[in-house]
Amino acid sequence: KNQVEQSPQSLIILEGKNCTLQCNYTVSPFSNLRWYKQDTGRGPVSLTIMTFSENTKSNGRYTATLDADTKQSSLHITASQLSDSASYICVVSGENAGNMLTFGGGTRLMVKP
Amino acid sequence: DVKVTQSSRYLVKRTGEKVFLECVQDMDHENMFWYRQDPGLGLRLIYFSYDVKMKEKGDIPEGYSVSREKKERFSLILESASTNQTSMYLCASSLVTGADNSPLHFGNGTRLTVT
Repeated sequence: KNQVEQSPQSLIILEGKNCTLQCNYTVSPFSNLRWYKQDTGRGPVSLTIMTFSENTKSNGRYTATLDADTKQSSLHITASQLSDSASYICVVSGENAGNMLTFGGGTRLMVKP
Repeated sequence: DVKVTQSSRYLVKRTGEKVFLECVQDMDHENMFWYRQDPGLGLRLIYFSYDVKMKEKGDIPEGYSVSREKKERFSLILESASTNQTSMYLCASSLVTGADNSPLHFGNGTRLTVT
């Protein structure tokens, strides 16, 4: 069964600090992995997408990594800001017919001043 | 910018009522989706549609139906609301399927409470 596990479930850090969120998946065959940010009371918004051949991709202070061999991805946030407080959701797409998406349970990040 | 609009942010309905959740997107996307989001369970797919009048069951379709009469509009229907359908409902659209690298664009959700 395709699964996406995220850790930690929640995280509290001080403003200005860095943090790393983890995503492990069992989806096979793998097509791509996308990180979404969901602010409270809003729908998720795509941050970045990782395909099989990509190891690292940055979007401002967000850097995603992918290790397709170990089926792991991470999202690193540098110099955190209060506006980074949100849930971060890892979503993996397989190459099966129908191209269904498998969602992780999310990591809730709180950045404190 | 893609805009996905859900008609209600909050709804309170009674058990047994028929409930309609409406979603409209303005970017001519072929694909539209309905998810529900519950703490600890993440997002779960209820129904999706690849084209007008087309619908496919997702992972948890029981107790729900959908309607897509126009490309821009995708409605979720709870035929007889029950308390276990209390949840956050998220509508999304995409240009092509997720595996083709097109992101999902989400609405801001409808928080439904069934009493």
